[in-house]
Amino acid sequence: LAKTTQPISMDSYEGQEVNITCSHNNIATNDYITWYQQFPSQGPRFIIQGYKTKVTNEVASLFIPADRKSSTLSLPRVSLSDTAVYYCLVGDRGTGFQKLVFGTGTRLLVSP
Amino acid sequence: GAGVSQSPSNKVTEKGKDVELRCDPISGHTALYWYRQSLGQGLEFLIYFQGNSAPDKSGLPSDRFSAERTGGSVSTLTIQRTQQEDSAVYLCASSLDWAGNEQFFGPGTRLTVL
Repeated sequence: LAKTTQPISMDSYEGQEVNITCSHNNIATNDYITWYQQFPSQGPRFIIQGYKTKVTNEVASLFIPADRKSSTLSLPRVSLSDTAVYYCLVGDRGTGFQKLVFGTGTRLLVSP
Repeated sequence: GAGVSQSPSNKVTEKGKDVELRCDPISGHTALYWYRQSLGQGLEFLIYFQGNSAPDKSGLPSDRFSAERTGGSVSTLTIQRTQQEDSAVYLCASSLDWAGNEQFFGPGTRLTVL
C-alpha cells in the first residue's frame, strides 16, 4: 500500500472550513484514496473515497489533483463535534483495501 | 443488526490467561476484519475473513493469536496466554464484500492485561 503523510494535528474554530492535506507520492494507477474519521473511544467511520478530481458528499469534499500525489479533505463550516482524528488511506480497491493501513492520522481540534 | 457489535466492551484479565473476543458483523456482510489499537496509536491490521476463510493472517502478532468465523457471520478472536503488551482496543469491522467497499467498525473491546 502507498505510504501516506499527513499533519499530526490541526486547530480550527467553529464555522471555519478545514482542509487536511495528505501526501501519497507513490500512489499506483489502481489506487483509490479514502478518508476515515475516528472519535475517542469509537471505531473509525468512513467519510469519503475518490480516485481523481473532486468528490463531494453530505459530509465533506475530496480534492485530488491530476497527478494524484496528494489529496485534500475539506470539511465545510466545522463544529465542535468535528473534533476527531482523520485518517487518509490509499490502496487498490481490488486487492489493497482488504486490510486498511492506518497511519497516525491528523488530530483536528475545533474550538468555540 | 443495525451495526457491528462487539463483546465484551471491556475485559480485564491476568497475564497468562486466555481471552475470547466476539464480533457480530452487519447482516449480509461477507467480509470481516480485526484490528487493534494501542493507546494513542493508529490501527494495526490483524486478520480478515472472506466468508469463513481467512486469506490474510499476516497481521496476527504471534501464534498466541487466532481467529475463526463460523456460518459466515460471528467471529471470535482468541488470545492465549495473554501478555501485558496485548493490552489494547480490539476493533472489528465488516464490509459488504472484499472489493474495497466501506468498512463499518464496531465500538471495540478494551482489553487490559494485568
